[in-house]
Amino acid sequence: ETGVTQTPRHLVMGMTNKKSLKCEQHLGHNAMYWYKQSAKKPLELMFVYSLEERVENNSVPSRFSPECPNSSHLFLHLHTLQPEDSALYLCASSQDPGEEDGYTFGSGTRLTVV
Amino acid sequence: GQQVMQIPQYQHVQEGEDFTTYCNSSTTLSNIQWYKQRPGGHPVFLIQLVKSGEVKKQKRLTFQFGEAKKNSSLHITATQTTDVGTYFCAGLTSGTYKYIFGTGTRLKVLA
Repeated sequence: ETGVTQTPRHLVMGMTNKKSLKCEQHLGHNAMYWYKQSAKKPLELMFVYSLEERVENNSVPSRFSPECPNSSHLFLHLHTLQPEDSALYLCASSQDPGEEDGYTFGSGTRLTVV
Repeated sequence: GQQVMQIPQYQHVQEGEDFTTYCNSSTTLSNIQWYKQRPGGHPVFLIQLVKSGEVKKQKRLTFQFGEAKKNSSLHITATQTTDVGTYFCAGLTSGTYKYIFGTGTRLKVLA
């Protein structure tokens, strides 16, 4: 356990489904992030929340919708995804948006869109 | 936009050999972080470098930040099979709060 818990670990969904990814951190951090990791690509930052406010939306398609109800929880709502959205989705947290002790990543959700 | 490139993309070494990965940014960085991701795992924070020319060591790992703060390196002495994984650098540009991750170097250690 890293202190950042992601569920589910694996998800297979059809292109017409709606699903949500959940992330929870118990580290007292005040910033949370969603990253997408595809094969042979660098980690792509999707969303940043600082003190529960979204401070970054990295030109992510609207079929991905984040939600941060409090500083410990982060969701990523998915709907009408495409096969190219299949990837490992990583949640991370940190003390500040530009903090100095590194990000703590969760174990990720391996998403397959069929 | 800002880019952070790493070379090599892949490296296979015999156990006991040394390994180095290089990280190059298109812009000057305020600091740089290094992460390790084991196969099937998630990135784990290793270290942060802040000062120009800074060198830090963690056992067999040596991290260096370039004088111009645009490049960095990670050197592993006498690799072991436990060193297998992908090593990422992540750079922070002054005035922003967003770390840009490098493309990663995948290390394979042959026993």
